[in-house]
Amino acid sequence: KAGVTQTPRYLIKTRGQQVTLSCSPISGHRSVSWYQQTPGQGLQFLFEYFSETQRNKGNFPGRFSGRQFSNSRSEMNVSTLELGDSALYLCASSLTATQNEKLFFGSGTQLSVL
Amino acid sequence: GDSVTQMEGPVTLSEEAFLTINCTYTATGYPSLFWYVQYPGEGLQLLLKATKADDKGSNKGFEATYRKETTSFHLEKGSVQVSDSAVYFCALKYNNNDMRFGAGTRLTVKP
Repeated sequence: KAGVTQTPRYLIKTRGQQVTLSCSPISGHRSVSWYQQTPGQGLQFLFEYFSETQRNKGNFPGRFSGRQFSNSRSEMNVSTLELGDSALYLCASSLTATQNEKLFFGSGTQLSVL
Repeated sequence: GDSVTQMEGPVTLSEEAFLTINCTYTATGYPSLFWYVQYPGEGLQLLLKATKADDKGSNKGFEATYRKETTSFHLEKGSVQVSDSAVYFCALKYNNNDMRFGAGTRLTVKP
């Protein structure tokens, strides 16, 4: 069974640009979540999607957005990039996102903003 | 708000030493608790979990007990190996994958 796949693995952008990251969950998983990992702030929850609906959102500005498609694949978009957006962005999937359920993480997309 | 505090690293041990990584949490509800491990260049992998007070999670020689009275979920292993070198994250979770992570503790095990 294939794991969570994130593309691209690395991205380099400049300030002011926008970027789209992609995540393919494990087959059959309907919940996809996104997290930002930085040395200073650690791992922070961005948002969670289930059946194409955003159910939960972390404390990030509106420049961070996402969507989920009918096949459960998800994309995350960051507009008007800032230097502080440089981070490892991790996607995680699970069957339904209940409290006890474990998350399966992808290897992440490393975004560098210059 | 809900949060997790982990002991700061890095932690360096010799092979076969005893490991403890402290984790305490602040929670308004009754979350599930997790330990995840991250190897270089990879995403996080679940190490163990506990879903209610007094539950003990265990895996690969690691264990942790959900202690409601001390709001703790300390990770322990009796004898570490070089292959255990990684970053360890303690986390609490509610529904909809709202997961709060600790800052992570880097463990290096030397032969």
